[in-house]
Amino acid sequence: TQLLEQSPQFLSIQEGENLTVYCNSSSVFSSLQWYRQEPGEGPVLLVTVVTGGEVKKLKRLTFQFGDARKDSSLHITAAQPGDTGLYLCAGAQWGLSGGSQGNLIFGKGTKLSVKP
Amino acid sequence: DSGVTQTPKHLITATGQRVTLRCSPRSGDLSVYWYQQSLDQGLQFLIHYYNGEERAKGNILERFSAQQFPDLHSELNLSSLELGDSALYFCASSASSFRGTLYNEQFFGPGTRLTVL
Repeated sequence: TQLLEQSPQFLSIQEGENLTVYCNSSSVFSSLQWYRQEPGEGPVLLVTVVTGGEVKKLKRLTFQFGDARKDSSLHITAAQPGDTGLYLCAGAQWGLSGGSQGNLIFGKGTKLSVKP
Repeated sequence: DSGVTQTPKHLITATGQRVTLRCSPRSGDLSVYWYQQSLDQGLQFLIHYYNGEERAKGNILERFSAQQFPDLHSELNLSSLELGDSALYFCASSASSFRGTLYNEQFFGPGTRLTVL
């Protein structure tokens, strides 16, 4: 069972367009991370959100954590070819001590292609 | 550069063989995680070590084992290899053991691509 569903699975757009990627679950997470991965390389951490309803901005990227801490979205404004890559969301579940459990649960990713 | 190093970058071997993948965490990080990434399953958590002790196991096969040494580097041992074990194997590190904290930021190495022929 995939605990984190990402959509869309593939996205091909023109430079300058806006896009939103979604990450949904029926489970509650203590925190959620977004990573970007290039082919043959390791995922690179973009942002961590921990509070329900939290919004974080990283230049043209806006990340939102759902109020119920079950979902998240990534919005990119005026996409550029350099934004091309695999975007992964990853959730940390609550541990018995009340903090985060160590391992992350990953979605399968959204493969974004931005054409010049 | 995340500061996490993994060797080797590529590994090609035959079915039934045994291999060892190595990971050095970021300076000061005590936690090491191993993940497997395949095309159909995505990134799957295998095992977590904190300061030399095993903390959690995920979908790790009995043919696979890991350890973390006193200098904090970690090794993932894969034995009796099968074609289906071909995948990218990533190591990630973080500073915290996560007890009492909500943050769970992990930094990934460049990975080892294992091909089993």
